[in-house]
Amino acid sequence: AQKVTQAQTEISVVEKEDVTLDCVYETRDTTYYLFWYKQPPSGELVFLIRRNSFDEQNEISGRYSWNFQKSTSSFNFTITASQVVDSAVYFCALSDPNTGNQFYFGTGTSLTVIP
Amino acid sequence: DAGVTQSPTHLIKTRGQQVTLRCSPKSGHDTVSWYQQALGQGPQFIFQYYEEEERQRGNFPDRFSGHQFPNYSSELNVNALLLGDSALYLCASSFPPPTGGRYGYTFGSGTRLTVV
Repeated sequence: AQKVTQAQTEISVVEKEDVTLDCVYETRDTTYYLFWYKQPPSGELVFLIRRNSFDEQNEISGRYSWNFQKSTSSFNFTITASQVVDSAVYFCALSDPNTGNQFYFGTGTSLTVIP
Repeated sequence: DAGVTQSPTHLIKTRGQQVTLRCSPKSGHDTVSWYQQALGQGPQFIFQYYEEEERQRGNFPDRFSGHQFPNYSSELNVNALLLGDSALYLCASSFPPPTGGRYGYTFGSGTRLTVV
């Protein structure tokens, strides 16, 4: 069965520090997609990054970067030089084409950036 | 370009009542999925509609039902409300499978349902 685990419930950092959010996933399928979403207090889930299971190349997009390792089933997300506006709940999610592309979400990590 | 629109934003219902939540997808999307997010939890998949039919369903009882209209908008109906149904209900639109899963969803801001 598909499962996403975010072990970090809450994280607090001081502004301008780097922060890494951890995500571990479980799936028996070879084709799947991994996502990170941000949920501010308004409630809307905002798409951040996407990765497919065939591409382990790690990239940087602005202040965001990610580390995808199939060997450890991890998909960690890093924010560089954090800002107060980054304060939100962050969700890691797995999309599985074999189950109609429904998303499996982790329980989220609440990030607070202290000015 | 309008994103996903949900109504109402907040709702208070009494246990045993019925509720209908509404969703208009993002322009260009024809698939709508509904998720329930309890406080402090990640969203849980309820069901997905495409071409006016329920295509996938999560582990939710039959009290949860839905509908999709020809203009791709959708409704979520919950009958015989329980206190445990209190949650944020999120609507997400996408392209149909398999493309939709590849590119992810666009989410609305949700409807906060409180059952008292």
